[in-house]
Amino acid sequence: EVQLVESGGGLVQPGGSLRLSCATSGFPFRNHWMSWVRQTPVKGLEWVATIKEDGSMKNYVDSVKGRFTISRDNSKNSLYLQMNSLRLDDTGIYYCAGDGSNSPFDPWGQGTLVTVSS
Amino acid sequence: EVVLTQSPATLSLSPGERATLSCRASQSISTYLAWYQQRPGQAPRLLIYDASNRATGIPARFSGSGSETDFTLTISSLEPEDLAVYYCQQRIRWPPTFGQGTRLEIK
Repeated sequence: EVQLVESGGGLVQPGGSLRLSCATSGFPFRNHWMSWVRQTPVKGLEWVATIKEDGSMKNYVDSVKGRFTISRDNSKNSLYLQMNSLRLDDTGIYYCAGDGSNSPFDPWGQGTLVTVSS
Repeated sequence: EVVLTQSPATLSLSPGERATLSCRASQSISTYLAWYQQRPGQAPRLLIYDASNRATGIPARFSGSGSETDFTLTISSLEPEDLAVYYCQQRIRWPPTFGQGTRLEIK
């Protein structure tokens, strides 16, 4: 069974940091680009970042460039998102998803909630 | 950035009826369009990719059509479990973008 399980969300103050993790199983992780997609009350579903299979290429939505860093550990079948300088409009559910480069987003994790509030 | 506009915003139909959901792109995206279903409290899941191909395990009552700027998701005979928000998404032009969703209500 394919499973993508996110963790690391929570409540953080503006300007703070969080590190999200996505542990995968039953999925050929090292053979897939991987992405983070978020769902916010204002923008709905929004692609955040994508990383190549070997980690050599990374892309980000403009609003998180310089603040968020996507990374992966193929030995642990895990994906990460380091989020710094968090803003109120970063609040939302963050999903880990397969592909997202030249393929649709599939599969998806269940999501982890990030709340940025003072 | 490609803007995807979905209509209607909400659709309310009875079981057994046919549902037709629309997605219009602000510029041509060939057939690089996907549809996702998000049931209440769940993550999105892939239904259709490349405009008309059903993803693994998706029932045959779901079908997609269209190309360039106009796309349609059809559910031929609604089941109660089809209650969900449906999103379209394009991947040919960077960044990948999603539509705002169509909420499907089952009477």
